Amino acid sequence: EVQLVESGGGLVQPGGSLRLSCAASGFTFSSYSMNWVRQAPGKGLEWVSFISSTSSTIYYADSVKGRFTISRDNAKNSLYLQMSSLRDEDTAVYYCARVLNRGGLDYWGQGALVTVSS
Amino acid sequence: QSALTQPRSVSGSPGQSVTISCTGTSSDVGGYNYVSWYQQHPGKAPKLVIYEVTKRPSGVPDRFSGSKSGNTASLTISGLQAEDEADYYCCSYAGSYTWVFGGGTKLTVL
Repeated sequence: EVQLVESGGGLVQPGGSLRLSCAASGFTFSSYSMNWVRQAPGKGLEWVSFISSTSSTIYYADSVKGRFTISRDNAKNSLYLQMSSLRDEDTAVYYCARVLNRGGLDYWGQGALVTVSS
Repeated sequence: QSALTQPRSVSGSPGQSVTISCTGTSSDVGGYNYVSWYQQHPGKAPKLVIYEVTKRPSGVPDRFSGSKSGNTASLTISGLQAEDEADYYCCSYAGSYTWVFGGGTKLTVL
């Protein structure tokens, strides 16, 4: 069974940093590209970042470019999102999701809540 | 990276059909056959129900179908059931390994 489990969420002050992790199991993690997607409270979904299976290709949404860094460790079946210079508007549930080619995100984690507030 | 346009809400009675539209541009919806749809119940993670415009993942009922014409994609749910009541989001590949989501549509089963 495919499972994605996020961790590392919490309360952080504006300007602070936080690192999210996503532990993958039930599939060959090193064969799949991964995305981070977020959802602000009561709002819609927003694509955040993409990383290819070998980490050779990485992209970010304009809203997080220069502040967030996506990475992965295929030996540990883990995906990461390092977030810095956090702003109030980064408050959201952050989901990791497996990329099905470019046509969809077929498995999602349960999400990790990040709250940016003083 | 502007969000795709979806109606805020749609509704239908059990057994009826509803269609949710998703309008983008030639840079996303119109440019690629990589539109997907997600169902999200309150407090839950999104679930893929349609990918690559028309394909259904294993386990998704054939009551769910997708289509696309030009810059607009559509999700049709036939034979509405109470458990279909949820938020639905469209998503399109937008080139250079970026994706864009719609604003979401709340489906109410009357």
